[in-house]
Amino acid sequence: QVQLQESGPGLVKPSGTLSLTCAVSGGSISSSNWWSWVRQPPGKGLEWIGEIYHTGSTNYNPSLKSRVTISVDKSKDQFSLRLSSVTAADTAVYYCARVLRAFDIWGQGTLVTVSS
Amino acid sequence: DIQMTQSPSTLSASIGDRVTITCRASQSISSWLAWYQQKPGKAPKLLIYKASSVQSGVPSRFSGSGSGTEFTLTISSLQPDDFATYYCQQYNSYPWTFGQGTKVEIK
Repeated sequence: QVQLQESGPGLVKPSGTLSLTCAVSGGSISSSNWWSWVRQPPGKGLEWIGEIYHTGSTNYNPSLKSRVTISVDKSKDQFSLRLSSVTAADTAVYYCARVLRAFDIWGQGTLVTVSS
Repeated sequence: DIQMTQSPSTLSASIGDRVTITCRASQSISSWLAWYQQKPGKAPKLLIYKASSVQSGVPSRFSGSGSGTEFTLTISSLQPDDFATYYCQQYNSYPWTFGQGTKVEIK
C-alpha cells in the first residue's frame, strides 16, 4: 500500500526558505492522483498549501501562492515543497497527502520551527 | 474562499452515546465534503468522503450525511477510540478549506 514520508530541516531561520520532500513508497507518483501539502500550526487547525500532478501541473492556496513552489521528481517518486520568506507564523507540522477521494493517505508529518 | 464552520467546537460525551457534529459551508459545495479524525501527535485520518461514503476500514458506527451547505458526521455509539478531534473539509472549489475542528472529550 502507498505510504508517504516527509523529510527536511526541522529549524529554519526567519526570512529563509523552508524546503521539504515527500517520498512516495508502495506506489508510483505517476498514478492518477494529485499530491498535496497541508500544514497545522501547533494547537491549531489544518491549512491546505497546494498540490501537484505528476505532469507538473500545480494549484496553490492564494494566501501562500506568492511564496510557495511545489515540484515533482518522478524518477525518485517524490514531490517537494519550498516556502520562501518564512516567519514565525509558518511554524507548523507539515503533512504531505495523496488526493484521491479527498486526502486519503497522509504522511506522519514533520514539525518545522521558524526561529533564529 | 469557502468558509467551513463546525459546531460545536467541543463536545463532551460518554461511551455508548450517539454523537453528531455539524459542518456548514459558506456556499454550496454539492457533496464534495470529507470528514477526518485526528488524534494528538498523529496525522488526520479520512473517515468519510463525498459527504456520505465511508472510507475502507472505517467502522460502521461512523456515517455522514448532507449536501449543499449543511453536513453532519454521526457516531452511532461512541467508543473509547473515538475521543479525538474531527475536521470537515470541502473539495468543491479551490482553495480546499477545512473547518476549525470539533474536539470530542470524555464526559
